[in-house]
Amino acid sequence: RKEVEQDPGPFNVPEGATVAFNCTYSNSASQSFFWYRQDCRKEPKLLMSVYSSGNEDGRFTAQLNRASQYISLLIRDSKLSDSATYLCVVRLDTGRRALTFGSGTRLQVQP
Amino acid sequence: GAGVSQTPSNKVTEKGKYVELRCDPISGHTALYWYRQSLGQGPEFLIYFQGTGAADDSGLPNDRFFAVRPEGSVSTLKIQRTERGDSAVYLCASSLRVEGRETQYFGPGTRLLVL
Repeated sequence: RKEVEQDPGPFNVPEGATVAFNCTYSNSASQSFFWYRQDCRKEPKLLMSVYSSGNEDGRFTAQLNRASQYISLLIRDSKLSDSATYLCVVRLDTGRRALTFGSGTRLQVQP
Repeated sequence: GAGVSQTPSNKVTEKGKYVELRCDPISGHTALYWYRQSLGQGPEFLIYFQGTGAADDSGLPNDRFFAVRPEGSVSTLKIQRTERGDSAVYLCASSLRVEGRETQYFGPGTRLLVL
């Protein structure tokens, strides 16, 4: 079983749609949570950190449910430029600073 | 400012050869990470440096892989006796911890192809 599991997609949505991605993680000791965005043949870039109380950054909203070990990302009013792969990422923090990535969920926003 | 840079951007080699991949972190970043990303997968951790020393090398797949960071800045990932299964994108990231928060910034990667 992978440490971080995501639906690979692709999610094909029209411009302006709302789309949600989910992710589950297996290590209950995980302390930090992130969503990274990766464009085709480019490096991953931090989209947003995910906090226990949930947090929002413009059109993007992230939620964390520690009891269910579940993380979500909601994108409102999708733009063509949102087309990318979204990587769910966790980190233990205690004793291990490396990031553990999911395989990513591909989003294609269509005109 | 300048981000993380990696050289070469692409490397093609033959099975059994030795390769070196270089990473220049963001100036002032004390932590440096190497990851490997295969097609359709997320990056997988290889090794982490804090300063000059390898703080965690638990992700190195076997003893053909080795990395150094002799002056606490530039790092080199070395792969001996390359195998076709080593073909992947090798990503370097650097970070600075501020008030308990750390963000890893990734370089563009080196695409390694072993024929």
